[in-house]
Order: sequence, then C-alpha cells, then structure tokens
Amino acid sequence: KNQVEQSPQSLIILEGKNCTLQCNYTVSPFSNLRWYKQDTGRGPVSLTIMTFSENTKSNGRYTATLDADTKQSSLHITASQLSDSASYICVVSSSWGKLQFGAGTQVVVTP
Amino acid sequence: DAGVIQSPRHEVTEMGQEVTLRCKPISGHNSLFWYRQTMMRGLELLIYFNNNVPIDDSGMPEDRFSAKMPNASFSTLKIQPSEPRDSAVYFCASNNQGGYGYTFGSGTRLTVV
Repeated sequence: KNQVEQSPQSLIILEGKNCTLQCNYTVSPFSNLRWYKQDTGRGPVSLTIMTFSENTKSNGRYTATLDADTKQSSLHITASQLSDSASYICVVSSSWGKLQFGAGTQVVVTP
Repeated sequence: DAGVIQSPRHEVTEMGQEVTLRCKPISGHNSLFWYRQTMMRGLELLIYFNNNVPIDDSGMPEDRFSAKMPNASFSTLKIQPSEPRDSAVYFCASNNQGGYGYTFGSGTRLTVV
C-alpha cells in the first residue's frame, strides 16, 4: 500500500478560482513533506518543503499546510492561472532520508 | 547554475538494444538519485549514490539495469538489453546530504519498440 495518498486524482477548475489538493501519509518516522509541481514533459519542481514543526508555508499563490498529528497536508492554489495546469506531487521523507511519492493530482485550469 | 542536466531528452530504441542515460548533477551536490516515472506506477526510486558510492539499489528492477557514478559530476544508467516495458521517463535528481532540497533534471523519455 502506498504510504502517500493524494486526492483527488484529477480536477478541472476555471481560471481565477481556488482549489485545494490533499495528501495523507503514513510514513514514519516523519522528517519532512514536500509539494512538487510537474509540468508535462518536465521534471518535478519544488514548491514547498515543511518539517515537523511547520504548519503552513507559502510560495506565491501556493500555500501548503501540514498537520503532523493527523498526518495530513494540503496544497491550496489561489486565483488559479492557466500556467498552474500540471501534476502536483506530494513527497514525504522519512527520518532515514527515504522519499515516498504520492501518485500526484492532475490539475487542469480552463479559461 | 544550469541545474541537473540529463541527456538525451528523448530516446527511441529497438528491443534488445543497449540504452545509456546520462546525468550531470548540480555542482557541490553529493547525492544523486535515478527515478523512473510511468503512468501506472508514478515516480519510483531506482538507485541513489552518496559521494559517488551506490547506497541503495533495491529499486533497480532487474539485472538488465545498471548504474555508475565514476565521479562527482557524472552518472549513467544503462539498460541492456532493453525491453518495451522499460519505456518510461527516467529522472535524475541531486541533493546535498542533509539538505531538504532535491533538484530534478528534465528527464529522458525512453521508448523501446
């Protein structure tokens, strides 16, 4: 069973609207959680990295939250733009440094 | 900084042929990772090196796959002989040991026909 589960698998939103992506994990012992954006045909690019003590972190219109007690994270995209169309991957690192990847959420922003 | 550089960007080869993928990590990064990405399985770690030494190759699918890192600035992933099920995008990433940031290359899209 994958130790990092993302939802939804995909979503379509209108340009200018907000959306929230979810990530639940069972990785233990936990070290940090990262959100990556992967454009089609490109490598993943880091958006945010959060450690155990961080509850929220922003990168422009992207805001990630982390609840280490419930082992949940979310990525909120504000005022979506066409360029936000991509796959968003949640990656959790254990204290031993091993990364566990979620399957990703495919976001499509339509005009 | 040019980032992690992978070559080629695309490779199409016939089944049975040898394929070599190349990666140049970010200068100063001492950890290098090879990943494979497919629609069905997402991103999978194949092998990673620390200070040019292979640390964990448990993700390498079978003996047809091999990886080398002869120096701190270059690594190769070789598939011999290649099979159609090897078709995927292969990513290389590098990191500073103990650092949180991983930087991925743009990937090599491999198609084995």
